[in-house]
Amino acid sequence: GAVVSQHPSRVICKSGTSVKIECRSLDFQATTMFWYRQFPKQSLMLMATSNEGSKATYEQGVEKDKFLINHASLTLSTLTVTSAHPEDSSFYICSVGRGGTYEQYFGPGTRLTVT
Amino acid sequence: KQEVTQIPAALSVPEGENLVLNCSFTDSAIYNLQWFRQDPGKGLTSLLLIQSSQREQTSGRLNASLDKSSGRSTLYIAASQPGDSATYLCAVSTGNQFYFGTGTSLTVIP
Repeated sequence: GAVVSQHPSRVICKSGTSVKIECRSLDFQATTMFWYRQFPKQSLMLMATSNEGSKATYEQGVEKDKFLINHASLTLSTLTVTSAHPEDSSFYICSVGRGGTYEQYFGPGTRLTVT
Repeated sequence: KQEVTQIPAALSVPEGENLVLNCSFTDSAIYNLQWFRQDPGKGLTSLLLIQSSQREQTSGRLNASLDKSSGRSTLYIAASQPGDSATYLCAVSTGNQFYFGTGTSLTVIP
């Protein structure tokens, strides 16, 4: 399988500030990465698909101006939560897609708390 | 749109029991189905991946089956152990779209 890292693992920020979360594919080049959000006791919800060198594709209901995604290289995608609010507090998980088998490998997640 | 459901939502069993977790999906046009384990506050650990052309996969005490035509998958855990306590998620892939089930929270009582 693939090794995927996320940084930071936990972050606490004040309302109104911006937070950047990094997702790295450590052992293969990924043209596609995915960002998910998970609220307590709920399943994962896909937020957006991050494509290297092009704009991300956002799921319905996800504000693209609030959740900025940048996939500037084949090993790094970033999610920036802009002007964070307490309701943005959640567990954010990224994954890396492997095209041939359509398998996804997940990062360890980032716990965001907005106070 | 694909919808994935898992039953039961929660399950509590004594150590040593065999158990079955169920996953159903509404659109049979899938590429694969994966079972994951998630410990509290942690990310996902992939347990088993079944390609659409396969019927089952086995890893240790885990066996997953897939009946694509009926939109069902089961995860069988043999001889459960307290360390198996976690939330189990199934997910289906329709290419670049990945749909997760609602999860089954498993507690194995020593």
